[in-house]
Amino acid sequence: GESVGLHLPTLSVQEGDNSIINCAYSNSASDYFIWYKQESGKGPQFIIDIRSNMDKRQGQRVTVLLNKTVKHLSLQIAATQPGDSAVYFCAENVQTGANNLFFGTGTRLTVIP
Amino acid sequence: GAVVSQHPSRVICKSGTSVKIECRSLDFQATTMFWYRQFPKQSLMLMATSNEGSKATYEQGVEKDKFLINHASLTLSTLTVTSAHPEDSSFYICSARAGQGHGETQYFGPGTRLLVL
Repeated sequence: GESVGLHLPTLSVQEGDNSIINCAYSNSASDYFIWYKQESGKGPQFIIDIRSNMDKRQGQRVTVLLNKTVKHLSLQIAATQPGDSAVYFCAENVQTGANNLFFGTGTRLTVIP
Repeated sequence: GAVVSQHPSRVICKSGTSVKIECRSLDFQATTMFWYRQFPKQSLMLMATSNEGSKATYEQGVEKDKFLINHASLTLSTLTVTSAHPEDSSFYICSARAGQGHGETQYFGPGTRLLVL
């Protein structure tokens, strides 16, 4: 499969601080990327997506940045809250073939009250 | 967002029995459904992709005769783990996508935790 990986497997932040979760991908043909949040014992929850014709997209308290030159993706969470504690996965969609998502290894975010 | 449900949420069975897991898209028609498997502290591993009315496409290393997938309608897909063994114990997650277009969002179910004794 494709290689989608994360730089940091765990991240701890103080409540109220901003969080940045990073992801590297290897396939330059990928043109659609999604961030998912997974809480313990639950399925992944869609957070935000971005297409390769953009380099930044903002949602509510979240921003995704895409750097196609170095094949890097990041998720920024503003004013992190205890409810943000979860595992975050990036996923890439490859244009050719089965049009499936490939998931990274995940980063566990722990918010310290 | 779109809602995907799974049933049951948790199942315990004896080794050698078969277990069926249902995945439903509640408020949209899912042309394509996906089945994933997730081991503790690991990422999601795609097992198979199914399009409504056609045979599922299995990923390399996934036994199609052991993990039977049926996608008989646009809102329901089932995964049957046949002759389950303890090594099949895992968290099984389905997802659904409304279209086959590139970049369409996949929505995930809440997962089914299977424990084979």
